[in-house]
Amino acid sequence: EAEVAQSPRYKITEKSQAVAFWCDPISGHATLYWYRQILGQGPELLVQFQDESVVDDSQLPKDRFSAERLKGVDSTLKIQPAELGDSAMYLCASSLEWGLSTDTQYFGPGTRLTVL
Amino acid sequence: GENVEQHPSTLSVQEGDSAVIKCTYSDSASNYFPWYKQELGKRPQLIIDIRSNVGEKKDQRIAVTLNKTAKHFSLHITETQPEDSAVYFCAAKTSGTYKYIFGTGTRLKVLA
Repeated sequence: EAEVAQSPRYKITEKSQAVAFWCDPISGHATLYWYRQILGQGPELLVQFQDESVVDDSQLPKDRFSAERLKGVDSTLKIQPAELGDSAMYLCASSLEWGLSTDTQYFGPGTRLTVL
Repeated sequence: GENVEQHPSTLSVQEGDSAVIKCTYSDSASNYFPWYKQELGKRPQLIIDIRSNVGEKKDQRIAVTLNKTAKHFSLHITETQPEDSAVYFCAAKTSGTYKYIFGTGTRLKVLA
């Protein structure tokens, strides 16, 4: 069964450093989501792509976070500079098509970020 | 803004008993409601979902009910087993932005 891939699985960094996370969605999935999940809370959407275009990045802290999906396949989420409050699990998810109201979303294993 | 409230935050049941988790959503345009199970250190896994044109859906020991008028949906797990212990998240997807809004999660503990 195809799965969403993410790397690295764990990342420890010092504040003010730059970090990057990678996501490879399920083949053929046009929609890709990046979420942040703080321990004990539900996933919070950071950015949503349809192919290579950003559909929603209203919750992305654009002063330090950036995301790209240049060829409409895999995606990178970057934080620069990292802050202590960025410690969280970063989840990537994909679904077949943005415009389908009943489109199922599948999650990757996540990257657990610790900022010291 | 759009919001999903989930209750309870923790739930302990004896093995074999039933468990019910409830969610309320704010956006009346929401039309798709998935439930995810997340075990410690693992990815959220879809366990059941329901569309807005359906009132109830069942899959073996798991069922979901939807009340569109009240903007309320619930997860029902019968004959609970220790392996059902996990955190469960509800979500609502709006038809306008196609964005998922998640609840805060329910930690279910099934006591053997």
